[in-house]
Amino acid sequence: AQSVTQLDSQVPVFEEAPVELRCNYSSSVSVYLFWYVQYPNQGLQLLLKYLSGSTLVKGINGFEAEFNKSQTSFHLRKPSVHISDTAEYFCAVRPLGFQGGKLIFGQGTELSVKP
Amino acid sequence: SAVISQKPSRDICQRGTSLTIQCQVDSQVTMMFWYRQQPGQSLTLIATANQGSEATYESGFVIDKFPISRPNLTFSTLTVSNMSPEDSSIYLCSVEDGTGGEKLFFGSGTQLSVL
Repeated sequence: AQSVTQLDSQVPVFEEAPVELRCNYSSSVSVYLFWYVQYPNQGLQLLLKYLSGSTLVKGINGFEAEFNKSQTSFHLRKPSVHISDTAEYFCAVRPLGFQGGKLIFGQGTELSVKP
Repeated sequence: SAVISQKPSRDICQRGTSLTIQCQVDSQVTMMFWYRQQPGQSLTLIATANQGSEATYESGFVIDKFPISRPNLTFSTLTVSNMSPEDSSIYLCSVEDGTGGEKLFFGSGTQLSVL
């Protein structure tokens, strides 16, 4: 079985400050890793994903994440946030070889960017 | 990318009634997925809907409570039956990207409140 833990439910930061949203996962098999963002009153949008290869993954809107297999982590980072980054962020995993759309999501982290 | 339209966007319902949520995709897709996002919690897969066959439900979800239809490759409905306040959630429709299946596209969701 797989599980995903987002270590912070809320992260308040000031505009132009760096931010890190933490995600740890547990799985007995290899997984794909994802970060999704949900803006208010909207559906989820993919930020970035890790399938294989380089452990540093760059996504949209200046976000990046680093896969650390030994620590089973996939933390999301941005060097300088903007007010428009205020949203809910979800980390998710998908077991390799699984047919179908079953993503296992973390509980979400609410990023609040203040001026 | 797929564009997913979900209706209604929100509704307030009385206990004991049923609500049918519609999901329309702008392209043909093999599998469609229904997720639930309970307040303050992560997303949970309810079921997978394949055209021409019965939906496959995840543990904890049953067809009598959440009947699903999938009449063609672009459309699906989810009904929340005999509702109680515990069914108050956001319900999201999603589809795979069609190129490798690693990521999902999500509709904007249906926010359901049961009184």
